[in-house]
Amino acid sequence: NAGVTQTPKFRILKIGQSMTLQCTQDMNHNYMYWYRQDPGMGLKLIYYSVGAGITDKGEVPNGYNVSRSTTEDFPLRLELAAPSQTSVYFCASSYSPGQGAHDEQFFGPGTRLTVL
Amino acid sequence: KQEVTQIPAALSVPEGENLVLNCSFTDSAIYNLQWFRQDPGKGLTSLLLIQSSQREQTSGRLNASLDKSSGRSTLYIAASQPGDSATYLCAVRLLTGANNLFFGTGTRLTVIP
Repeated sequence: NAGVTQTPKFRILKIGQSMTLQCTQDMNHNYMYWYRQDPGMGLKLIYYSVGAGITDKGEVPNGYNVSRSTTEDFPLRLELAAPSQTSVYFCASSYSPGQGAHDEQFFGPGTRLTVL
Repeated sequence: KQEVTQIPAALSVPEGENLVLNCSFTDSAIYNLQWFRQDPGKGLTSLLLIQSSQREQTSGRLNASLDKSSGRSTLYIAASQPGDSATYLCAVRLLTGANNLFFGTGTRLTVIP
């Protein structure tokens, strides 16, 4: 049981390039999330998904897109990278709300992205 | 909008001391509160989750309390060890909305041998 895995671990992009951050979970969670963590700031939600085929915007969605074709995978796409997107990106997953202790969110190891 | 504050931002203690980390939040309509540990350059590890109906949760040397009405939570670490050195994050989930967590900026703990 690997939990939440993310690739790549590190990436440097040039302004205007695009890339996809991959996220996979093997816990059969239906909820998945993308957060970004900037230095000295708390994590902020970019996008989330409550199940395959269903996604919605979080607090800071501009410049990003997501898709959820399977329960396991939730990739995050940057179309035109900008220096403001330099950050550490975390993917997380959880069961549906109302499942008591199973409300816990589990996080991947993160992707450190630099846009130059 | 939910604001989560953690004080202090950094804390250094000698090994063996008991310590308390503080978390406060502005909107008391929370579903639960979760404490995480983050090591440098690493992801988040969940330590404790407290449902809004609970007052505290314990795991080993860790004890987390929740006072929803006053918008406060504390994380108590007993008999601290150098291996406890990390950043501790507090996060709350609201009763309504996207089910996401609202995070504080963390307390960076250093336990000196």
